[in-house]
Amino acid sequence: EPEVTQTPSHQVTQMGQEVILRCVPISNHLYFYWYRQILGQKVEFLVSFYNNEISEKSEIFDDQFSVERPDGSNFTLKIRSTKLEDSAMYFCASNQDGGNQPQHFGDGTRLSIL
Amino acid sequence: SQQGEEDPQALSIQEGENATMNCSYKTSINNLQWYRQNSGRGLVHLILIRSNEREKHSGRLRVTLDTSKKSSSLLITASRAADTASYFCAPGLNTDKLIFGTGTRLQVFP
Repeated sequence: EPEVTQTPSHQVTQMGQEVILRCVPISNHLYFYWYRQILGQKVEFLVSFYNNEISEKSEIFDDQFSVERPDGSNFTLKIRSTKLEDSAMYFCASNQDGGNQPQHFGDGTRLSIL
Repeated sequence: SQQGEEDPQALSIQEGENATMNCSYKTSINNLQWYRQNSGRGLVHLILIRSNEREKHSGRLRVTLDTSKKSSSLLITASRAADTASYFCAPGLNTDKLIFGTGTRLQVFP
């Protein structure tokens, strides 16, 4: 069965540095998402992306964050000038039709900011 | 808020027993989804029930939806140790995003 894959599985970065988290969604999916989960807390929506543009974003997704689909297969989340509180699991998800249809999640990237 | 709230927060049962988790929400919905998250892993979609459906089955899973009470339940029958995970509901509106609550942590003892 096709999977959403995320790399790296664990990223350790110094505070203030930029980090790029990578995702390969399922190949025929058109809607892409990023979520994050701070340790012990809820899974929180960050952003949704369709047709090469952001369709919705949360209050968390401020100017520090950006997303890009640089080619036909990758979907990336860039975090500029990282802060300690950015430490979390970041999950990528995708689906074919958007609109509250089931989303397929990757296993996440654990981001640790030192 | 679109968020669902799961209840109980934690549930411990023996293998073979049934597990029931509940979800309450506050807004009108188009559908409601249930997801599972094993420790340290991504979420896995379990089942979607539409607002015009009252009950749906998938293997050992049974989901009910009562839109008048704005509530849903997830029943796992004949539980197994491998069912140990956190379970989340996600009420669906006219938006692509999923909003999760704090979930129910299910522990199934062998």
